[in-house]
Amino acid sequence: LAKTTQPISMDSYEGQEVNITCSHNNIATNDYITWYQQFPSQGPRFIIQGYKTKVTNEVASLFIPADRKSSTLSLPRVSLSDTAVYYCLVGFHSGNTPLVFGKGTRLSVIA
Amino acid sequence: DAGITQSPRHKVTETGTPVTLRCHQTENHRYMYWYRQDPGHGLRLIHYSYGVKDTDKGEVSDGYSVSRSKTEDFLLTLESATSSQTSVYFCAISDRDERYEQYFGPGTRLTVT
Repeated sequence: LAKTTQPISMDSYEGQEVNITCSHNNIATNDYITWYQQFPSQGPRFIIQGYKTKVTNEVASLFIPADRKSSTLSLPRVSLSDTAVYYCLVGFHSGNTPLVFGKGTRLSVIA
Repeated sequence: DAGITQSPRHKVTETGTPVTLRCHQTENHRYMYWYRQDPGHGLRLIHYSYGVKDTDKGEVSDGYSVSRSKTEDFLLTLESATSSQTSVYFCAISDRDERYEQYFGPGTRLTVT
């Protein structure tokens, strides 16, 4: 499984765009990049997943460069409710190969 | 939200006693997982199941066992609870191979005194 490195914490003001970068230098050809969000006292929630280039949904965008050795989760115009821990996971796209959650990035949004 | 329930939601037990946590799903998903979450460690995988009676160990499986006798239920047992197993336990499920997305339950807070 590819090891990931992401910042431990980040602060942002409301209304700003937040970019959280994850490094995964030993990503394998078959690996997908998946991001989860976890609010206090709740289980993690899937946000977005991608393989290459850019993926966008109603919650976030995921940017993956051509070498796939890093990825950036972009949250547009954050609000206080986006305060959470964000996890970057990299793994093979198969249910019986479980992914490994690191410590994540604790995002604090300030009014 | 995916139909996942965990029971009990909170439990306090004494060191040395056996404890069983239950995860129940109504989604008919093939894969089920047990994680624990502790401050400073993030989420760590304990055991997982890829089908009825098919289970495997995760990174922190010592002191835990699991069973899955039917698709909807995945049980986590602490054979003899220790204080180091005080944690929040999350169950998760996922379905098709072509989209690796896990849905998490609400968690069980276990305190071992």
